[in-house]
Amino acid sequence: GAGVSQTPSNKVTEKGKYVELRCDPISGHTALYWYRQSLGQGPEFLIYFQGTGAADDSGLPNDRFFAVRPEGSVSTLKIQRTERGDSAVYLCASSPVGAPLGEQYFGPGTRLTVT
Amino acid sequence: EDQVTQSPEALRLQEGESSSLNCSYTVSGLRGLFWYRQDPGKGPEFLFTLYSAGEEKEKERLKATLTKKESFLHITAPKPEDSATYLCAVQLRRKNYGQNFVFGPGTRLSVLP
Repeated sequence: GAGVSQTPSNKVTEKGKYVELRCDPISGHTALYWYRQSLGQGPEFLIYFQGTGAADDSGLPNDRFFAVRPEGSVSTLKIQRTERGDSAVYLCASSPVGAPLGEQYFGPGTRLTVT
Repeated sequence: EDQVTQSPEALRLQEGESSSLNCSYTVSGLRGLFWYRQDPGKGPEFLFTLYSAGEEKEKERLKATLTKKESFLHITAPKPEDSATYLCAVQLRRKNYGQNFVFGPGTRLSVLP
């Protein structure tokens, strides 16, 4: 079946601009996670959704970052007033109800470059 | 401060040469420890979950073990297709039952034919 998809695969934007990154999880997966990964580092947790609600947003670095999942499936990560330090690969993952802890299915990521 | 470290940073093995990767953690309460494999340009792929000290999990040439302070990923007779970055992560026990995962920086494994 189809895996987690993320669009766009690459995004180049200028400092100060607004960007939206989209995640389509595996159909039926209720849990959805956003991470960002810098070169040579492990993923950094940003936010976790269970259904439509953000159950844990403790990883969002500041109020420029916001994420939504209005219908409990597709999610959008929104970054306002982008800074060069926001450049990274943004990963999305989903998992089904009852999955063991840690069993997440990751998408290929969106590479964000802020110039 | 909750921290996950991995060693070595990079490892080169000959095909068939067994070895182990280390993941050390200092966290205030562990719900689970996880291993993932990540190929270049792709998202991580889930391998194992370990919940308590003494637990072991196996999958093909990989075996993961857990103690109170660290985990090992043993690779037996590796093949070139095992080349990847191996990531360790922990989920912390928090009062709000948050899903905050903390990843280590990974070990880049290269298996030469």
